[in-house]
Parts: sequence; structure tokens; C-alpha cells
Amino acid sequence: DIQMTQSPSTLSASVGDRVTVTCRASQSISSWLAWYQQKPGKAPKLLIYRASSLESGVPSRFSGSGSGTEFTLTISSLQPDDFATYYCQQYRSLSETWTFGQGTKVEIK
Amino acid sequence: EVRLVESGGGLVQPGGSLRLSCAASGFTFSTFWMSWVRQAPGKGLEWVANIQLDGSEKYYVDSVRGRFTISRDNAKNSLFLQMDSLRAEDTAVYYCARKGNAFDIWGQGTMVTVSS
Repeated sequence: DIQMTQSPSTLSASVGDRVTVTCRASQSISSWLAWYQQKPGKAPKLLIYRASSLESGVPSRFSGSGSGTEFTLTISSLQPDDFATYYCQQYRSLSETWTFGQGTKVEIK
Repeated sequence: EVRLVESGGGLVQPGGSLRLSCAASGFTFSTFWMSWVRQAPGKGLEWVANIQLDGSEKYYVDSVRGRFTISRDNAKNSLFLQMDSLRAEDTAVYYCARKGNAFDIWGQGTMVTVSS
């Protein structure tokens, strides 16, 4: 099975900061990677799919990059609404398990 | 409005069974793969199972294979998860999710608690 490793586990930042979260896959997943945002008590929300495609309605301050085994989620200027937990997920094949990273909590500094 | 609504969660004893349902609306249900994802209290997300368009292909995470069964009824726009031989470690919020651009639509979740 493909393992996904996110770093850091927790990130402390201020409004206006540029924030980067990294996700590494244990084997190549091409660009089959998504990023989700989750707030306490709520369902996850899709932000980025196919590593770099912005989901409709998601603010342009969110961006994704990478391919193969190394991926990043960047928030260009952190806003108060962005304090949440972020998860990456690989979905390389419909016939394989679809693994999530362990999550990165973005906290107020 | 595109919507997924889960139901069927609750408290069950270890070894017991529970059937979760997910009602879909606002989109052509039969044209999307569907999935179940769970989240144990205070923990991260865990993909549980996928089902293909007509239900002919199903895939499971190792920890539930042989105990859980995913199914769908396209005529009723519904997704199901039959959970048997439940264990304490199955305690979680269970979400149904649509596989569009990745998991682009999620339900609100239903809580399953396995405890004596």
C-alpha cells in the first residue's frame, strides 16, 4: 500500500504569512493527489485535485504543486478562516486503497 | 443542490452489526464512484471503501475487509455500508463521499460508537 507522510504535524503562523505544507508518497503517484481542509466538527472540504488544480469556489491564495512523490500545498497569505487541519490524499488507482496523510494543523501564532 | 446525507449511526456492542445509509441528491448518482471515509475521535481521516458505478467492483481498507460490505442502489440514489463484527477501534464518524475531482462532495457524517 502507498503511505503518505505530511509535514509538519502542526504549524503556527500569523495572518498574512505564507504557509507551506509538504506531503510525500512512498511510491510514485504521478499527479493523483488531493488536498482537503477540515474544521472541527465539520466534513472535509476539497481544495486541490490532480496536485495543482484548484477546486471551484476555493480562493486563489491556495495552490498546489508537485508530482511523483513530493507535493506541497501553499497558502500565499494566511487568512483567519484558514486556521484548520489540512490533509493530503493519494488516489492513484480506483482499484487500490486511497490513503490520507496524517494531517497538518495550522494554528494561530 | 448537490447533497449527501448519512444516517444509521449509533451505539453498538462489540461483535454487533450496523448498517449505514447515504442519500444522494442533486446529481446523477449512477455516474459516480462512491466511498466511505471514517475519522476516529481526535484522529485523522481513513478511507474505508470504494464502490464502482454499478456496484460490480468494491475495494476495502485491510482493517475492514471481510467485516464491512459497501453497496449501492442507483434506483434509490443510495449508498450503504453494512458493518459486521464491529470492534472498539471502528468507533468513528463515518462520511460518505463522491469521487468526482477526488472526493469533491461529502456528507455531514454519522457517528458510530462500539462499546459495551
